[in-house]
Amino acid sequence: AQSVSQHNHHVILSEAASLELGCNYSYGGTVNLFWYVQYPGQHLQLLLKYFSGDPLVKGIKGFEAEFIKSKFSFNLRKPSVQWSDTAEYFCAVNTNAGKSTFGDGTTLTVKP
Amino acid sequence: NAGVTQTPKFQVLKTGQSMTLQCAQDMNHEYMSWYRQDPGMGLRLIHYSVGAGITDQGEVPNGYNVSRSTTEDFPLRLLSAAPSQTSVYFCASSYNRGQDGYTFGSGTRLTVV
Repeated sequence: AQSVSQHNHHVILSEAASLELGCNYSYGGTVNLFWYVQYPGQHLQLLLKYFSGDPLVKGIKGFEAEFIKSKFSFNLRKPSVQWSDTAEYFCAVNTNAGKSTFGDGTTLTVKP
Repeated sequence: NAGVTQTPKFQVLKTGQSMTLQCAQDMNHEYMSWYRQDPGMGLRLIHYSVGAGITDQGEVPNGYNVSRSTTEDFPLRLLSAAPSQTSVYFCASSYNRGQDGYTFGSGTRLTVV
């Protein structure tokens, strides 16, 4: 069975700081990888996704993520965070059998 | 285009009561699923459906029933509510079993007292 591990439970940054959230997964086959964002009191929204090809994928709101196959990692990055990025971020894996697994989430707090 | 619609948004139940959480999507998605979200535990899959008339259990199915009579609707039934079922419930749908990502509903916050 696949699993997803997010390294940080809570990250606190000041505005304009750079962000990197770690995500590692375990699965021996082909996977699709996702990052979702959940703003306070709202539902999850897709931030970006990786299927194949260029391992560096760009999403909405200036976020990007890099897939490193050898490390089974899919880390989320943003060069300069804003107060409005305060949210919970979930990494997810979907196998070619259609099974999805979510990480436990990382809460990001950006101080103005 | 409403996406995924969940009702109600909030609900308080007494232990032992039953209720149905509604979920409807208008995107003609074959795949629908129910998750519960608890602090520090991420999202856990309760039940899912790959099409009308087909349902299967997820990671935490006990105490919940589902049915899928139409492509659009996927209700979740709590048979006899317990305090351990206090959670936020999300319905999600996708075109191809989540391989392009999910569209989530706005959630139902359920408290069982």
